[in-house]
Amino acid sequence: DTAVSQTPKYLVTQMGNDKSIKCEQNLGHDTMYWYKQDSKKFLKIMFSYNNKELIINETVPNRFSPKSPDKAHLNLHINSLELGDSAVYFCASSRQGWSEKLFFGSGTQLSVL
Amino acid sequence: QKEVEQDPGPLSVPEGAIVSLNCTYSNSAFQYFMWYRQYSRKGPELLMYTYSSGNKEDGRFTAQVDKSSKYISLFIRDSQPSDSATYLCAMSTNTGNQFYFGTGTSLTVIP
Repeated sequence: DTAVSQTPKYLVTQMGNDKSIKCEQNLGHDTMYWYKQDSKKFLKIMFSYNNKELIINETVPNRFSPKSPDKAHLNLHINSLELGDSAVYFCASSRQGWSEKLFFGSGTQLSVL
Repeated sequence: QKEVEQDPGPLSVPEGAIVSLNCTYSNSAFQYFMWYRQYSRKGPELLMYTYSSGNKEDGRFTAQVDKSSKYISLFIRDSQPSDSATYLCAMSTNTGNQFYFGTGTSLTVIP
């Protein structure tokens, strides 16, 4: 069983389109995250949700909107896609607390043409 | 200055070599230190997790933390081609679920 799963794995789309990426975790974790990884492999936090409540919202264009219907799911919706949005997006989860470990999904490769 | 600095490499070693990967950091509040391994087109997977200073060993992998120097290391003994991956260091404080990553070091182990 995959602990943190995200879909789709690959997403190719045109500029200006709206797309969503879905994430689910079956670890019973309280906190979920979205990270963006650029071509140089740098992982940048975008959002963090704890029990469906937004707790971290880094400087991200408001075209990006996370939604957490329950604590096991965190989706990412992106409006008006731009070329610069092309990257790999990772969902992750952890238990609530300051000593906890972070577990990642396998990533969504987004290519905006 | 970034919170966490990591040499991106690439690093190329022959099979069987000892590999040393390093990160430095500036925030003295970091208490928890992690190493992640990321294979191509995969998500990062947690490899080692340590708290505060000291060493931790798991098979061929040893993680070292020197808080006085703000320096952490990952050693890989008897490196194998299957160790070829990008290795990311990560750190967190004791004040919340915020993780800070290095930029990753690309490692290739040549058979």
